[in-house]
Amino acid sequence: DIQMTQSPSSLSASVGDRVTITCRASQSISSYLNWYQQKPGKAPKLLIYAASSLQSGVPSRFSGSGSGTDFTLTISSLQPEDFATYYCQQSYSTEVFTFGPGTKVDIK
Amino acid sequence: QVQLVQSGAEVKKPGASVKVSCKASGYTFTSYGISWVRQAPGQGLEWMGWISAYNGNTNYAQKLQGRVTMTTDTSTSTAYMELRSLRSDDTAVYYCARDHGRIVGAFDIWGQGTMVTVSS
Repeated sequence: DIQMTQSPSSLSASVGDRVTITCRASQSISSYLNWYQQKPGKAPKLLIYAASSLQSGVPSRFSGSGSGTDFTLTISSLQPEDFATYYCQQSYSTEVFTFGPGTKVDIK
Repeated sequence: QVQLVQSGAEVKKPGASVKVSCKASGYTFTSYGISWVRQAPGQGLEWMGWISAYNGNTNYAQKLQGRVTMTTDTSTSTAYMELRSLRSDDTAVYYCARDHGRIVGAFDIWGQGTMVTVSS
């Protein structure tokens, strides 16, 4: 199975900061990488699909990049509503869609 | 609007079974696959399996093979996930999620979640 790792596992940031989260796959997954945001007690929300495509309705301060094994999610200017946990997920292997362990973004 | 509405919370004893439903509305049910994802308290997301609402084909996570069954009822646009031989570590919020229209395995619509508690 394809394993996903994320770094850091948590970070503290201030409103207005530029935040970057990294995701790595154990083997090449081309661009089959998706990013989700989850707030406490809520279902996850799709932010980015296919590594760099912004999901409809998601603010443009979110962006994704990468291909192969290394990917990044960037929030260009952190807003109060962005404090949440972020998960990457691969959809390359149609037999199992693996999530990363998550990165918690909280207020500095 | 496009939505998935799940059944309510369940409390089960170890060894029992649970069946969670996920009713779709606002789109053509048979045009999209449905995955089930669970989240144990304080933990991350775990993909459980996927079903095609078009033909019923399934893929299950290896660790759940033999204990999980996913089905659909196209007459009511409802997906079901049954988990058998429940253990305490099956305690989790269970979500259904719809495939993105352009990428199978990216989930653009999620249900609200169903809490399943396994306790003696």
